[in-house]
Amino acid sequence: ETGVTQSPTHLIKTRGQQVTLRCSSQSGHNTVSWYQQALGQGPQFIFQYYREEENGRGNFPPRFSGLQFPNYSSELNVNALELDDSALYLCASSLTAGSYNEQFFGPGTRLTVL
Amino acid sequence: DQQVKQNSPSLSVQEGRISILNCDYTNSMFDYFLWYKKYPAEGPTFLISISSIKDKNEDGRFTVFLNKSAKHLSLHIVPSQPGDSAVYFCAASANTGTASKLTFGTGTRLQVTL
Repeated sequence: ETGVTQSPTHLIKTRGQQVTLRCSSQSGHNTVSWYQQALGQGPQFIFQYYREEENGRGNFPPRFSGLQFPNYSSELNVNALELDDSALYLCASSLTAGSYNEQFFGPGTRLTVL
Repeated sequence: DQQVKQNSPSLSVQEGRISILNCDYTNSMFDYFLWYKKYPAEGPTFLISISSIKDKNEDGRFTVFLNKSAKHLSLHIVPSQPGDSAVYFCAASANTGTASKLTFGTGTRLQVTL
């Protein structure tokens, strides 16, 4: 059974650029959530996708957007990058949506915005 | 507004002794609580969870206690081992019927010494 994978591992961008991060969910999981973890903080919920639809969103501006594909893999897109977007971006998959499902995390993508 | 708080940034415990990690929450809608462990350069790994209908859940060396009236939970690790050295995150979710959004604390760094 393959766990959650993310690509790329590291990324360096400059202010104003756009970035796409990718996530493959664990086999059998149809729900993917994205989190942002700034240095010294806990992960912050960005949004969740369930069966290709956005299923909930945290306090992030619209320049953070996402997609989920029929195979349940997912992308996180960030437009007009700002310095404060520098963080570890974590993807988590769960068997399905709903509160009582453990979320299994990938290793993350470290984004640096210069 | 920090709805999940881990007030101890770090904890040092001798090998073989008990480690107790604490977590407080403010949102009374939270009804499912999880602990994750995170090593550097890896994503958080699910450890143990508890729903609000229970006050204790055990899994091997790990036990989570929930005190709903005090809005407090704790993770006990007995006996502590050097491999337990990591950052531990407490997380909580509310049953909204849709997205299983996790709200994380800021983490406690546990160091188990020989």
